[in-house]
Amino acid sequence: GDSVTQMEGPVTLSEEAFLTINCTYTATGYPSLFWYVQYPGEGLQLLLKATKADDKGSNKGFEATYRKETTSFHLEKGSVQVSDSAVYFCALTMYNQGGKLIFGQGTELSVKP
Amino acid sequence: DAGVIQSPRHEVTEMGQEVTLRCKPISGHDYLFWYRQTMMRGLELLIYFNNNVPIDDSGMPEDRFSAKMPNASFSTLKIQPSEPRDSAVYFCASSLSTGGGKLFFGSGTQLSVL
Repeated sequence: GDSVTQMEGPVTLSEEAFLTINCTYTATGYPSLFWYVQYPGEGLQLLLKATKADDKGSNKGFEATYRKETTSFHLEKGSVQVSDSAVYFCALTMYNQGGKLIFGQGTELSVKP
Repeated sequence: DAGVIQSPRHEVTEMGQEVTLRCKPISGHDYLFWYRQTMMRGLELLIYFNNNVPIDDSGMPEDRFSAKMPNASFSTLKIQPSEPRDSAVYFCASSLSTGGGKLFFGSGTQLSVL
């Protein structure tokens, strides 16, 4: 079935470091891809998305490009801040699934001053 | 808009007791999802509704779990009887069919079964 695999955490970085969180997917068709973020004690919220191959989603300095050839959607940020400390989830949905999201296992990011 | 509202925020109960979790979706949203989050299994979809009708309950772990959506503004997830392995954070989320996969999550219910 459809699935999402993320790099394991926790990831610990110093402030202003470059961030990459890897995400790959398996799907029988052409999914839409998402990154959600969960801050401590809160529910998930959408960070960015891409709906077709070669699309780049971006928000708050984060970017991810939909790579169909490598079935990947890696999250990147050029300079992280302490406030970016959270758990990041990669997810996919198929057009005929009524918005049903399949999530990866999540990657915890900790940014130190 | 107040967002998705879940209650209670925390629930501590003893094994064997009935637990009811509640959710009020965002007004106008036509999809509602129940997820469970644990360290071991991550985020699992339990069930989702479209226009108050259950569409896919394949993620419901066993018959002890049941969910209802009697109207567009309210849903419950019930566990009867509860077991320690049900301890988790339960999230409710809602979305629009035209929302392109953007889910709005509540703050979750932290359930502890002793």
